[in-house]
Amino acid sequence: DTEVTQTPKHLVMGMTNKKSLKCEQHMGHRAMYWYKQKAKKPPELMFVYSYEKLSINESVPSRFSPECPNSSLLNLHLHALQPEDSALYLCASSQGFVGVDGYTFGSGTRLTVV
Amino acid sequence: GIQVEQSPPDLILQEGANSTLRCNFSDSVNNLQWFHQNPWGQLINLFYIPSGTKQNGRLSATTVATERYSLLYISSSQTTDSGVYFCAVYNAGKSTFGDGTTLTVKP
Repeated sequence: DTEVTQTPKHLVMGMTNKKSLKCEQHMGHRAMYWYKQKAKKPPELMFVYSYEKLSINESVPSRFSPECPNSSLLNLHLHALQPEDSALYLCASSQGFVGVDGYTFGSGTRLTVV
Repeated sequence: GIQVEQSPPDLILQEGANSTLRCNFSDSVNNLQWFHQNPWGQLINLFYIPSGTKQNGRLSATTVATERYSLLYISSSQTTDSGVYFCAVYNAGKSTFGDGTTLTVKP
């Protein structure tokens, strides 16, 4: 299995809702990442987990809450989002920490906040 | 932080043409990766290439780390090559993406 699987593929949520994005990989990778990508822009790093511990938080607002329950699973909990948070959210994983051997990306979750 | 510049920003080709995409970076990096993002948003790894030259079918890439640039060559382009091509560099614990090159291949 050489894939990173993200669910759901599409999500529409209101500003008062609570929702979660899920990311799963079974490649034995020990580093996992969340990225946010706005239209016609490059991906921007949000969080990095290494060995299930949060290693990097790129000053992301607290309405985004990451969680790594085990080495294969990464969640992003969403609460009280704003319309400007609408974007493509990408998950990635790598064998070594910080891209020593390259990243594998999931297909993303397209989030719309209404 | 490190700066990554890709050129050209946009490229339109006729099917069958060849092209070269460039990625310049402002500081030493641990590694560099080329991606193709398809119209559905999937980022597909093309090459993981900290230095040297690699080839995969019609695509090849060269990174000259000492001169801080990388090139992606696409030969005999096909309409399925359309999309955005990103290079990403890894340095000091973080990744930085360039703004991408948007490639359109016309039949």
